[in-house]
Amino acid sequence: QKEVEQDPGPLSVPEGAIVSLNCTYSNSAFQYFMWYRQYSRKGPELLMYTYSSGNKEDGRFTAQVDKSSKYISLFIRDSQPSDSATYLCAMSVTGTASKLTFGTGTRLQVTL
Amino acid sequence: GAVVSQHPSWVICKSGTSVKIECRSLDFQATTMFWYRQFPKKSLMLMATSNEGSKATYEQGVEKDKFLINHASLTLSTLTVTSAHPEDSSFYICSASPGLADNEQFFGPGTRLTVL
Repeated sequence: QKEVEQDPGPLSVPEGAIVSLNCTYSNSAFQYFMWYRQYSRKGPELLMYTYSSGNKEDGRFTAQVDKSSKYISLFIRDSQPSDSATYLCAMSVTGTASKLTFGTGTRLQVTL
Repeated sequence: GAVVSQHPSWVICKSGTSVKIECRSLDFQATTMFWYRQFPKKSLMLMATSNEGSKATYEQGVEKDKFLINHASLTLSTLTVTSAHPEDSSFYICSASPGLADNEQFFGPGTRLTVL
């Protein structure tokens, strides 16, 4: 079993839709939970990070962590074509500047 | 701010040759740098963690003698793939962190290596 599971997609939604991206994990020691966006042939860019359980909102993006279920989500409201990218969840035991364990990434396509 | 560059962005080499990839933090000092490998439609896999001035720590299953990492300064780390073979073809991405509490690691744009 992989430490972090993520549906690879692809996920295609119309512009303006709400997008839900999810990851599950098996290592209960993970404390830091991150979402990265990666455009084709580019390095990942940090979107949001959450420490422990709870919700965090930043503009159109909301991250949720449920440690009891070992389940994290990223919601994108009012999706735009520019949101088309691969979204990677990542987790760490000791911090955002430490070893990260990534999911496989979900490829998102927002269509006009 | 917080820009990380990689050079080259793309390299093709013959089997058996060695290839060096550079990772630079352009506007901050990186006490820690990480090297990842990414196969198509697969997740980034951490290969090694390097701290300036000390030997790199390699993840299980990563050959130290094949993937040589040098972190000689606070702004530069290099990954050398020695005696490259076609199975080493991949996307190599570095990240760098200032090392302060709760600081994120900033990723470079990646280097695509193709070994013929």
